[in-house]
Amino acid sequence: GAGVSQSPSNKVTEKGKDVELRCDPISGHTALYWYRQSLGQGLEFLIYFQGNSAPDKSGLPSDRFSAERTGGSVSTLTIQRTQQEDSAVYLCASSLGAGGVSYEQYFGPGTRLTVT
Amino acid sequence: AQSVAQPEDQVNVAEGNPLTVKCTYSVSGNPYLFWYVQYPNRGLQFLLKYITGDNLVKGSYGFEAEFNKSQTSFHLKKPSALVSDSALYFCAVTIYNQGGKLIFGQGTELSVKP
Repeated sequence: GAGVSQSPSNKVTEKGKDVELRCDPISGHTALYWYRQSLGQGLEFLIYFQGNSAPDKSGLPSDRFSAERTGGSVSTLTIQRTQQEDSAVYLCASSLGAGGVSYEQYFGPGTRLTVT
Repeated sequence: AQSVAQPEDQVNVAEGNPLTVKCTYSVSGNPYLFWYVQYPNRGLQFLLKYITGDNLVKGSYGFEAEFNKSQTSFHLKKPSALVSDSALYFCAVTIYNQGGKLIFGQGTELSVKP
């Protein structure tokens, strides 16, 4: 079956521009997670959704970062006024459980963001 | 705050030898532990998890891990390494009231030589 998909796979943008990253979770998965992977910081949690609501946004680095999820499915992570330190691979994951600790997360291939 | 430590940045093993990738954790409450593997230019793939029950858990590709509560460890093991096991391995932890949010270790690069 189809896994988690993310688009675009690569994005190069100029400093100061806004970007949108998209995640399509596995059908039927109610929980959706965003993580960021960078050389200096490793894998960091950003935000998670249970349905369309986001109970935990604690990992968003600044108010330039926002995310939404519509229809309990697709999610968009938006970064406004991008900075060079935003360069990273942004990973999306989904899981069966609505916040269930026992459910493994299935990850997408990621979006590599480069801010020049 | 929850944290995970993978003390080795890199582990080198000869093909056919046993391998161990180390992981220790620090949490307030009961831990739920996971191992993921990342191949070059690929997303993370789930290997195995410990939720409750037997301390030894078996997962994909012949990997297993042992939960040790007294040592707060969850080391990943395989009896006989393959060259194709070469990849980046991540240990992760969550607890019951975190909505499944994973805290990851820094990762360990496993290199298996023929």
